[in-house]
Amino acid sequence: ETGVTQTPRHLVMGMTNKKSLKCEQHLGHNAMYWYKQSAKKPLELMFVYSLEERVENNSVPSRFSPECPNSSHLFLHLHTLQPEDSALYLCASSQDLVGIETQYFGPGTRLLVL
Amino acid sequence: DAKTTQPPSMDCAEGRAANLPCNHSTISGNEYVYWYRQIHSQGPQYIIHGLKNNETNEMASLIITEDRKSSTLILPHATLRDTAVYYCIVRRYAGNNRKLIWGLGTSLAVNP
Repeated sequence: ETGVTQTPRHLVMGMTNKKSLKCEQHLGHNAMYWYKQSAKKPLELMFVYSLEERVENNSVPSRFSPECPNSSHLFLHLHTLQPEDSALYLCASSQDLVGIETQYFGPGTRLLVL
Repeated sequence: DAKTTQPPSMDCAEGRAANLPCNHSTISGNEYVYWYRQIHSQGPQYIIHGLKNNETNEMASLIITEDRKSSTLILPHATLRDTAVYYCIVRRYAGNNRKLIWGLGTSLAVNP
């Protein structure tokens, strides 16, 4: 148990569906992250939030829309996804951006797009 | 941030020490070495980090060579639960770049 929870753990969706991934951290951290992990590829950083403000967006397609309503919660809204978006989506948090090197990860959401 | 090179896979017998190498020949003087691991179907887990001195915690030991061009993560008594992918990352502490550069890591299989 890392103090970072993600729901759902598994998700299957069609290309026309809209769904949301949820992340919650119970560590009192100020920075939160979304990563994508595809098979046989390194982790890809998608978004970075610091104190609820988005500070990094790594050329992620607009069909992925993050939301950070407070410092404990992070969402990833999904719409009109493509099959190549199937991957493990990981949420992480750190004390702040200075402590980015020590991140705490959730268990991930395994997404399959049909 | 410096690039790292790790062997793609390693095996280790249960109860023996697992020594996981990492090359970072272009490391700069102010860059730290960080190790994470990822057990199957879980998120990565921070293990340990160091600058130039050897470090030890309850999970592992980190040995950094004197020239700092390579390091070894040591799991002193590997168990089946240590089967995971181990990532070596080099980064300047509090650097402006907000990314950790993740490679493909070393897949460690601990065998009974």
